Amino acid sequence: DVKVTQSSRYLVKRTGEKVFLECVQDMDHENMFWYRQDPGLGLRLIYFSYDVKMKEKGDIPEGYSVSREKKERFSLILESASTNQTSMYLCASSLDRLGADTQYFGPGTRLTVL
Amino acid sequence: GQQVMQIPQYQHVQEGEDFTTYCNSSTTLSNIQWYKQRPGGHPVFLIQLVKSGEVKKQKRLTFQFGEAKKNSSLHITATQTTDVGTYFCAGPEGSQGNLIFGKGTKLSVKP
Repeated sequence: DVKVTQSSRYLVKRTGEKVFLECVQDMDHENMFWYRQDPGLGLRLIYFSYDVKMKEKGDIPEGYSVSREKKERFSLILESASTNQTSMYLCASSLDRLGADTQYFGPGTRLTVL
Repeated sequence: GQQVMQIPQYQHVQEGEDFTTYCNSSTTLSNIQWYKQRPGGHPVFLIQLVKSGEVKKQKRLTFQFGEAKKNSSLHITATQTTDVGTYFCAGPEGSQGNLIFGKGTKLSVKP
């Protein structure tokens, strides 16, 4: 069974803080993704990575950066958190790039920025 | 850019009634996937359709992929309270390996 884990289920931070959200998958998947989910807006792709040290911008990359130093780990960084980044953050992974494989999601991190 | 649209946004049904959600893509898709997210949970893969006109069933759930591979539907027969959640369709974006998700249909079932 594929397992995708995220570092925290709930996180509360203050405006201006630097925030790290970590995601780890244990199935040797090539692709990893970060989404945010807000009511009525569905899943919006922030960044994705199809290889170590590679990253691609998604639909809403502004205010975020990512890091993928190891294949199994994909980190989302909020350089200076703002209240409009309060959201549910979901990490996902998929096997390989061709054909857009099934994505496996982590449990999510609900981030509140005060 | 490429879009995947899903309707309705919300559906409230009485237990035992049927439910259908529809998905339309602005481009032809190589495949379409369906996910379910239970309240408080994360999206979980249900099924993938690949062939034009394909129909697949999972117990009370029937999935269809249109002939033109631009639309799809999920039909649930005789809904149960366990069907509650948000159903998302998703299609590949170009050749990049990522998916474009519809905004989902949130299903509530009244016992």
